[in-house]
Amino acid sequence: DARVTQTPRHKVTEMGQEVTMRCQPILGHNTVFWYRQTMMQGLELLAYFRNRAPLDDSGMPKDRFSAEMPDATLATLKIQPSEPRDSAVYFCASGLPTGGTGTGELFFGEGSRLTVL
Amino acid sequence: GNSVTQMEGPVTLSEEAFLTINCTYTATGYPSLFWYVQYPGEGLQLLLKATKADDKGSNKGFEATYRKETTSFHLEKGSVQVSDSAVYFCAREDSGYALNFGKGTSLLVTP
Repeated sequence: DARVTQTPRHKVTEMGQEVTMRCQPILGHNTVFWYRQTMMQGLELLAYFRNRAPLDDSGMPKDRFSAEMPDATLATLKIQPSEPRDSAVYFCASGLPTGGTGTGELFFGEGSRLTVL
Repeated sequence: GNSVTQMEGPVTLSEEAFLTINCTYTATGYPSLFWYVQYPGEGLQLLLKATKADDKGSNKGFEATYRKETTSFHLEKGSVQVSDSAVYFCAREDSGYALNFGKGTSLLVTP
């Protein structure tokens, strides 16, 4: 059963520490997204990649967040230094645009719940 | 600006009641529209979609019709079950295939 795998599922850390979240997209999917979910803001798009190249990271605070795809099977989201306001659930999703419209289904991982104290 | 607006929750219904969750969007052109569902502790899953005006998406008894005149994509189900309790997200496809989500509507169905 193909699925998007995210690690860690839960992370509690102290303010100022570095946090790295990892995502393994579904094999064959060429588009990978990072979303952040909070009660106040809902789901926010942080960044996304197509064929490992970053397409848009305008939703991401550049001073502390970074997203990369070292290879087709791994996407990472790093926060350094972390702050309490970064506490949220971070979702990775992957997909494969179909046809000319790009309309297709996104497959979400179970999320990484981050708590920064 | 471009956005997706959903009705505020939580919505509480008795089993077998009729469900409507409103969703309206703003956009230039006619983007594809989606409903995703999130069960507790899980990621989002696609529930249904519509790719052009007047299309009706349907799945598991849920339906939504793409109405360009009213820029709406309301979710409906004729008879809800306890297992439908979840958070429902309306979404619009943006450029580059990214999805712009509404804030989500929590549904609780009681026996």
